[in-house]
Amino acid sequence: AQKITQTQPGMFVQEKEAVTLDCTYDTSDPSYGLFWYKQPSSGEMIFLIYQGSYDQQNATEGRYSLNFQKARKSANLVISASQLGDSAMYFCAMREGIQGAQKLVFGQGTRLTINP
Amino acid sequence: GAVVSQHPSRVICKSGTSVKIECRSLDFQATTMFWYRQFPKQSLMLMATSNEGSKATYEQGVEKDKFLINHASLTLSTLTVTSAHPEDSSFYICSASRDRGPYEQYFGPGTRLTVT
Repeated sequence: AQKITQTQPGMFVQEKEAVTLDCTYDTSDPSYGLFWYKQPSSGEMIFLIYQGSYDQQNATEGRYSLNFQKARKSANLVISASQLGDSAMYFCAMREGIQGAQKLVFGQGTRLTINP
Repeated sequence: GAVVSQHPSRVICKSGTSVKIECRSLDFQATTMFWYRQFPKQSLMLMATSNEGSKATYEQGVEKDKFLINHASLTLSTLTVTSAHPEDSSFYICSASRDRGPYEQYFGPGTRLTVT
């Protein structure tokens, strides 16, 4: 069964607009962590933001925020005031368990293109 | 963010030869490192979890005798592709996990392997 689902293969957004990238997950473990990574054309995976299953507030990191809706099992990434440099692949990932280094399961990714 | 290096960034080898890829965590000690494989336009697939001082844990379907992993120190893990075949051509990415919460993984820049 797919544990992480990203339903948007591609997104096109005008520069300076906000964009929401969707991510839903499936787990029976009450303890888990959700991550978003950015992969530009160079191939490197860049860590953007983290949300723990017990965190009461939505995570924010600069222009990135995570819209965490636990009951709906969704963890959408919101990028405010998009920039041309935001064009990249974005992956949502989940780690089951919150203690110790555990493996990540990745979604299929969303290719975001920012138009000038 | 933390820095993880990978070497080489690109390698071309002939069928039947072995190739070693190094993954180094440059500014933190990583008890646990991970090796992923990424095919074009696809997501990352975990191959194995590398634990310092112990044997790696391989994912189902990954041949441990073909993909040898050694994690000899807290900052270095190596992946050796033995008796390489053209179907082993891929993008290999390593990550290093912090040893404290939220145990986020920092990724290396990846190694593109081409087997001729």
